[in-house]
Amino acid sequence: KQEVTQIPAALSVPEGENLVLNCSFTDSAIYNLQWFRQDPGKGLTSLLLIQSSQREQTSGRLNASLDKSSGRSTLYIAASQPGDSATYLCAVINQAGTALIFGKGTTLSVSS
Amino acid sequence: DVKVTQSSRYLVKRTGEKVFLECVQDMDHENMFWYRQDPGLGLRLIYFSYDVKMKEKGDIPEGYSVSREKKERFSLILESASTNQTSMYLCASSRLQFSIISGNTIYFGEGSWLTVV
Repeated sequence: KQEVTQIPAALSVPEGENLVLNCSFTDSAIYNLQWFRQDPGKGLTSLLLIQSSQREQTSGRLNASLDKSSGRSTLYIAASQPGDSATYLCAVINQAGTALIFGKGTTLSVSS
Repeated sequence: DVKVTQSSRYLVKRTGEKVFLECVQDMDHENMFWYRQDPGLGLRLIYFSYDVKMKEKGDIPEGYSVSREKKERFSLILESASTNQTSMYLCASSRLQFSIISGNTIYFGEGSWLTVV
């Protein structure tokens, strides 16, 4: 059964710092991996989607990488801002190809 | 703009009540999902549906049922609400089965906070 782990569970950084969030998964036979952002009390917003054949995706200050063979993905946030404060979740497709399996998230706090 | 709407944002229900959570999407998506999210447990899949009148159990279907009579609407039903079903419920939709198009993206609603007392 696919399991997704995110480390650390929480992270606090000063504004302007570059940071890396980690995601690992137990079964490398994935279709794709997505990173989501969740603000308190809100739903999830998709940030980046990396297809199984890709190594990385970039959107603005965000860069996500994927290493299927080692079962790892990282989300790199450059020049962090207080508006980046949120919970970040990664998710992979389950073995049946029917739904996403989520990690428990990393809660990021960026102080000004 | 893509939209998944959960009509009830906050509900308080009594133990034993039958509870309906409604979700509507305006993107003509085939797939719809219900997740619950709890502190320390993350998001867990309750049920999903690939088409009208079709449903599949997720990881934690016990105590829940679903209904999909129309393509745009997916309802989650708590037959007899219990306090351990107090949670945030998230509805989502996506275009096609994930295994068919690997670039498929999923869209989430804002969530429904349910408290069972």
